[in-house]
Amino acid sequence: EAQVTQNPRYLITVTGKKLTVTCSQNMNHEYMSWYRQDPGLGLRQIYYSMNVEVTDKGDVPEGYKVSRKEKRNFPLILESPSPNQTSLYFCASGPGGGGTDTQYFGPGTRLTVL
Amino acid sequence: KQEVTQIPAALSVPEGENLVLNCSFTDSAIYNLQWFRQDPGKGLTSLLLIQSSQREQTSGRLNASLDKSSGRSTLYIAASQPGDSATYLCAVRGTQGGSEKLVFGKGTKLTVNP
Repeated sequence: EAQVTQNPRYLITVTGKKLTVTCSQNMNHEYMSWYRQDPGLGLRQIYYSMNVEVTDKGDVPEGYKVSRKEKRNFPLILESPSPNQTSLYFCASGPGGGGTDTQYFGPGTRLTVL
Repeated sequence: KQEVTQIPAALSVPEGENLVLNCSFTDSAIYNLQWFRQDPGKGLTSLLLIQSSQREQTSGRLNASLDKSSGRSTLYIAASQPGDSATYLCAVRGTQGGSEKLVFGKGTKLTVNP
């Protein structure tokens, strides 16, 4: 089954404790992206990747890191989480290449930073 | 910078009614426009994708239209059911080089009352 998986689905942590949210897709997609969703602000892009070893900032990259060492994986790293990073996070993937196909979203990771 | 607006923010209708959700965007240079459904605390489910060259797409009781020149899209839901209750998100994908970002509206929260 074609899908995007994220882990963990729920995470409660404390300020300053490094964490990683994993994202994996099995569709051989070139493009992957991270979004966060906050009430009243909608979905905003954090980082994206057009291909392996190619990443770039989205609209709200501060406080986040990403890496794309393999095509299927695109982890989101919070080196020193803060309470304002409490949010619902979504990973997405798509064929890329300027095409017109749909993008697929993971189930979301609800992060709470105390 | 692309901006996507959805009106109304919330809508409550009795079961069986036909309804229209609205989406407007500021930059007509788009690859496509996509409608998603999001249930509380859950991920995004793609409902319909309209390519920039298309005028409408249909899936079951759903019909989405696109008027690129005026920057508008509508999602028509026929014979609404309580199971249609969810937040509906509109997203556009621009043609700017280097990014395949989806720009989302803030959504319309639909409640269908039995």
